[in-house]
Amino acid sequence: GQQLNQSPQSMFIQEGEDVSMNCTSSSIFNTWLWYKQDPGEGPVLLIALYKAGELTSNGRLTAQFGITRKDSFLNISASIPSDVGIYFCAGQQSYSGGGADGLTFGKGTHLIIQP
Amino acid sequence: GAVVSQHPSWVICKSGTSVKIECRSLDFQATTMFWYRQFPKQSLMLMATSNEGSKATYEQGVEKDKFLINHASLTLSTLTVTSAHPEDSSFYICSARDFSNSNQPQHFGDGTRLSIL
Repeated sequence: GQQLNQSPQSMFIQEGEDVSMNCTSSSIFNTWLWYKQDPGEGPVLLIALYKAGELTSNGRLTAQFGITRKDSFLNISASIPSDVGIYFCAGQQSYSGGGADGLTFGKGTHLIIQP
Repeated sequence: GAVVSQHPSWVICKSGTSVKIECRSLDFQATTMFWYRQFPKQSLMLMATSNEGSKATYEQGVEKDKFLINHASLTLSTLTVTSAHPEDSSFYICSARDFSNSNQPQHFGDGTRLSIL
């Protein structure tokens, strides 16, 4: 089946540092999504990307949809303690977020912020 | 915004028991809902797509007779883990989308942690 390769697996950073993580795929996805998951909870949507090359921001978060439709990155600027958690990329075959197909998730990036 | 509710949030039961998990869309109608499973320290894996008024579509390797899905209304899908065994212990998460807005991505419930003794 389709797989998303997400890296890094974990990051240990100091508060205030910028963070960058990315996902690559061997196959094309027409929608890329980034989620954050806190322990014991469901994923919460951070950014949705629908067009190849699209660069979208949500506060301190910025994500880009790769031109080839096979990759995406997420940047977090000036990290704060509440940014701690697991970040997942997800791909969908549908061209909009509302497709009838499920999501394929990356393996996650565990962000740890050291005081 | 779109809200998806799951119930129960935590279940502990004996091996051989059947367990039902509910997924509700609270402020929108969802013709399609999705069920995912997440083992500890792993990613979410799509199990099945739940379609209102028709049969669910299962991903490869997921036993449809083991994981029964019923989507009887536009706001409710249920997943029943039949004759659960310890290896079925996992975090089960549903998602749904607002079918009246084609650009709305999937929103997730808070998950159900299933522990089989």
